[in-house]
Amino acid sequence: DQQVKQNSPSLSVQEGRISILNCDYTNSMFDYFLWYKKYPAEGPTFLISISSIKDKNEDGRFTVFLNKSAKHLSLHIVPSQPGDSAVYFCAASAVGVNDMRFGAGTRLTVKP
Amino acid sequence: KAGVTQTPRYLIKTRGQQVTLSCSPISGHRSVSWYQQTPGQGLQFLFEYFSETQRNKGNFPGRFSGRQFSNSRSEMNVSTLELGDSALYLCASSSSGSFADTQYFGPGTRLTVL
Repeated sequence: DQQVKQNSPSLSVQEGRISILNCDYTNSMFDYFLWYKKYPAEGPTFLISISSIKDKNEDGRFTVFLNKSAKHLSLHIVPSQPGDSAVYFCAASAVGVNDMRFGAGTRLTVKP
Repeated sequence: KAGVTQTPRYLIKTRGQQVTLSCSPISGHRSVSWYQQTPGQGLQFLFEYFSETQRNKGNFPGRFSGRQFSNSRSEMNVSTLELGDSALYLCASSSSGSFADTQYFGPGTRLTVL
């Protein structure tokens, strides 16, 4: 039961342009969302998060947007850099439930 | 501060065998979670331990079990291995176990079942 879905397995963008990674969820109980980045042979590292009381959170080049009515969130990376090339996982959790659900990941390739 | 460590990094087993994976969390972290990563499935939650107690469990069969020791180190055991158990197994630690806390992941143990 995939409660968190990342429908694009891969994305390729040019250096300097915007990367937009999308994530959909089905469980309306989710109230906290996170993005993780994973390089090969390493564990995922936390990137940015957003709680359901907000619709946007920004950290440097990374911005996460949350649309609760559409059960959709997206990660924007501007400008994209070659070092951003990695697999990005979207994750969701609910307060009081110690169970985080992850999407299948989107492989981002930023071309110089 | 040392990061999350997992041993071994690579394992090859045959069907029917059992395997034990180890995870040492960041010093001071009391929560350890385990995940299975397979192509196309992303990261799937196995279970979470806090202060030696399993607090939550994902939707995996009983062949998957774990435990946590008083020093917060955790082990995961898979019995009667199946080919489909081939995956990257990741553990993550956090201080309180709330998923609003940042989880820090180890590099993973890649298990291959032949």
